[in-house]
Amino acid sequence: SQQGEEDPQALSIQEGENATMNCSYKTSINNLQWYRQNSGRGLVHLILIRSNEREKHSGRLRVTLDTSKKSSSLLITASRAADTASYFCATAPNSGGSNYKLTFGKGTLLTVNP
Amino acid sequence: GAVVSQHPSWVICKSGTSVKIECRSLDFQATTMFWYRQFPKQSLMLMATSNEGSKATYEQGVEKDKFLINHASLTLSTLTVTSAHPEDSSFYICSGPVGATDTQYFGPGTRLTVL
Repeated sequence: SQQGEEDPQALSIQEGENATMNCSYKTSINNLQWYRQNSGRGLVHLILIRSNEREKHSGRLRVTLDTSKKSSSLLITASRAADTASYFCATAPNSGGSNYKLTFGKGTLLTVNP
Repeated sequence: GAVVSQHPSWVICKSGTSVKIECRSLDFQATTMFWYRQFPKQSLMLMATSNEGSKATYEQGVEKDKFLINHASLTLSTLTVTSAHPEDSSFYICSGPVGATDTQYFGPGTRLTVL
C-alpha cells in the first residue's frame, strides 16, 4: 500500500525560485527518505531523516519532519533546470536488516523552467 | 555512494517468453536486495525481498511462480519474469541497502515491454 502521499503532484517553477514538496504518511516510521528520479531512470538518494530528527540540510536541500503530524517537507532552494525530475518520499518502519522495506509515495513531478 | 547495475537496461519480448533481469552490486556485498516495479507515471511498488542463499520473500499479490528471484551470490540477484504478458510491461528496479546508514542504492532500472 502507498504509505506516503506527496503534494503537489506536479509543480512548475522558474529557475532560481524555491520548490517545496510535502509528504504525509500514516504509520510510525524509523526514518523517511527523499529520492529523485529523472525520467526513465533509476532513483538517486537525496537525504534521510530519522524519526528523532526534525530538520536536516544537504547543500540546497532542506528536509523537515514532523512526526506528530506524520508529515515531511523537502525544500529545494535556488532551483536549476537540472533539478527537473520526479521526487519521491519513502518511509521505512525499521532500521536495517532484511525486514527493512521502503514504502514510496506517489511522487511530485517538478519542472524548473529556464 | 554505492553502485548498483542492472542488465539489460531495456528489453522487448514476445508474449509467453521469459525474461531474466540481473542486478549487481558493484562495490558492496548485499545479503539482501529489493525488487520494485514501477508503472508509467506511478510510484515504485515493492515486489519482493531477495535473500542471499535462501528463498525470496514476496509482497502480497505478487506471484512467486511468475517472478522468480535468485540471489546466488553476495553481488548478484536475478529476477526472471516467466511467461511474460503485456500487463507485465513495466520498469523494474532493484536496490540494495548499505549497512548502518539505512540508505538504499538503486539500479538504473530495466524497461520491459511485452508485445
